[in-house]
Amino acid sequence: EAGVTQFPSHSVIEKGQTVTLRCDPISGHDNLYWYRRVMGKEIKFLLHFVKESKQDESGMPNNRFLAERTGGTYSTLKVQPAELEDSGVYFCASSRIGQTNTEAFFGQGTRLTVV
Amino acid sequence: AQTVTQSQPEMSVQEAETVTLSCTYDTSESDYYLFWYKQPPSRQMILVIRQEAYKQQNATENRFSVNFQKAAKSFSLKISDSQLGDAAMYFCAYSWVYNQGGKLIFGQGTELSVKP
Repeated sequence: EAGVTQFPSHSVIEKGQTVTLRCDPISGHDNLYWYRRVMGKEIKFLLHFVKESKQDESGMPNNRFLAERTGGTYSTLKVQPAELEDSGVYFCASSRIGQTNTEAFFGQGTRLTVV
Repeated sequence: AQTVTQSQPEMSVQEAETVTLSCTYDTSESDYYLFWYKQPPSRQMILVIRQEAYKQQNATENRFSVNFQKAAKSFSLKISDSQLGDAAMYFCAYSWVYNQGGKLIFGQGTELSVKP
């Protein structure tokens, strides 16, 4: 079974540009989460999809961030326009819906550097 | 609001020795889940161990065990017989009982190095 896959693994962009991160969850996982870790700090929750619906987007920092999960499969996180403080590692995780065995599986992360 | 604190940014242990990573948390909930995740360099974060707050018995997974002190809101991870492959960033995390393993509140992480 393939794990959670994130693309790209690294991205370096200039301030003001647009970047789109992609996450492919494990097949059959309806829950999809985005997290971000800014250098040296804790990993922070951004948002949660259940299938294609946004269940909780309380962690999204501002309206420069747009997450989508069309069709309830893969998800994208677009940052437009990027600012210096957006630099960090963006993690995606997926899990099953249910009462048991709902462990979240993480991708390897996308390291975003805004210069 | 729930918070998780890891006060040790870096730790080091000699191979085959035992090391304990600290984690404290704050919550007003009586039931919740606590986790330790491991992220090796440039690799995916994986779940090491999970503790359900209503269970008094400390969770154990092979060489990994926790010391869960609910009243003190403390959740430390003990790694016994440390191996070179244990070198990684370790994150302590909390989740609500209705969303176990889902939305997680993480600590700042502890980077563990293992010396041969």
